[in-house]
Amino acid sequence: GQSLEQPSEVTAVEGAIVQINCTYQTSGFYGLSWYQQHDGGAPTFLSYNALDGLEETGRFSSFLSRSDSYGYLLLQELQMKDSASYFCAVNNFNKFYFGSGTKLNVKP
Amino acid sequence: DADVTQTPRNRITKTGKRIMLECSQTKGHDRMYWYRQDPGLGLQLIYYSFDVKDINKGEISDGYSVSRQAQAKFSLSLESAIPNQTALYFCATSASGGFFNEQFFGPGTRLTVL
Repeated sequence: GQSLEQPSEVTAVEGAIVQINCTYQTSGFYGLSWYQQHDGGAPTFLSYNALDGLEETGRFSSFLSRSDSYGYLLLQELQMKDSASYFCAVNNFNKFYFGSGTKLNVKP
Repeated sequence: DADVTQTPRNRITKTGKRIMLECSQTKGHDRMYWYRQDPGLGLQLIYYSFDVKDINKGEISDGYSVSRQAQAKFSLSLESAIPNQTALYFCATSASGGFFNEQFFGPGTRLTVL
């Protein structure tokens, strides 16, 4: 089976840096994705890691350690609009399994 | 115009009714997916299709069926709806090949089964 664990909620202040962790167990693994979802909205793709290391896209970075079955999403220079839920998802031979999501609250 | 559209956006139905949710895409992607999302949970894969003749069950396919009418259309049916199928349903697409990892989601259908 598959299982993914993420913290349920994180709170940070505007301008700060926050890290959202994801640990996973899966029978097959192509890579780890991150998605953002605002309340009532559709998930939108943020990043993907197939290999170990850090991927940077603007204010967002994502890290993967395949040997530790662990990844994280790093959000820098937090803005109020970053308040949303963030999901990690494993690509298991082109089937995607999502974590339960981390609700990020950004406070002024 | 939206690349991935879903109809209806909201639906209230009664237990035992048959209901179909439709998804269309203009992205030209081969791969299409149906997910459900319950409050406090992530997205759970119901069915997926990698081309018109390819249909695969996901994690929670019981009680659901799908039809891939064309590359651009993928429908989800609940043959006999039950209250615990009340959820938010998303359709998603992705390209085949090296960019298959990015999925594009429709706006969702909020389904309530009374």
